[in-house]
Amino acid sequence: DGGITQSPKYLFRKEGQNVTLSCEQNLNHDAMYWYRQDPGQGLRLIYYSQIVNDFQKGDIAEGYSVSREKKESFPLTVTSAQKNPTAFYLCASTHLGIGDTEAFFGQGTRLTVV
Amino acid sequence: GENVEQHPSTLSVQEGDSAVIKCTYSDSASNYFPWYKQELGKRPQLIIDIRSNVGEKKDQRIAVTLNKTAKHFSLHITETQPEDSAVYFCAGKQRYSTLTFGKGTMLLVSP
Repeated sequence: DGGITQSPKYLFRKEGQNVTLSCEQNLNHDAMYWYRQDPGQGLRLIYYSQIVNDFQKGDIAEGYSVSREKKESFPLTVTSAQKNPTAFYLCASTHLGIGDTEAFFGQGTRLTVV
Repeated sequence: GENVEQHPSTLSVQEGDSAVIKCTYSDSASNYFPWYKQELGKRPQLIIDIRSNVGEKKDQRIAVTLNKTAKHFSLHITETQPEDSAVYFCAGKQRYSTLTFGKGTMLLVSP
């Protein structure tokens, strides 16, 4: 079953704690992305990666970190420096190349600070 | 970088009416414009897309139009049904670049 999988679906974080959100794809996509979704704010880009061992900051990278050690995996760490982390986080992947194709999204992780 | 503006932020229609959502983009190099539908608590899913070499594309009750000169594109949904109620996102993209999304439109179709 091909697709993009995020885990966990729900995550609770205590103040001052780092948490890592998982994103795995078996679509052989080159590019992977992390978006944050808040009510009324749409999809805001946190980080993206177009190739293994390389990634770029998006519009709201402060307080987040990522790694891309494997083509299939792009985990996101929400650090204690992120002051308002409660949100819905979406991971996505796409091909890169001559023929632009759709972005496939994971089912999302809802992070809540407790 | 690219900037995509989307209007309106909310849209309420009666079942059977048409709905139109409009987006503008800033980067003339953008050449791919997808539309995503996100139902409550679910992931966004592609419903239709258009490339810059085409002015209009239709798929059953939904259609997208693109005006490259004015740098705007629109989603048209005809004969709306309650199951069309969702948040719709437009996006723009250059080749080898990232997708930039609009802020979304919440469409509510009342029976």
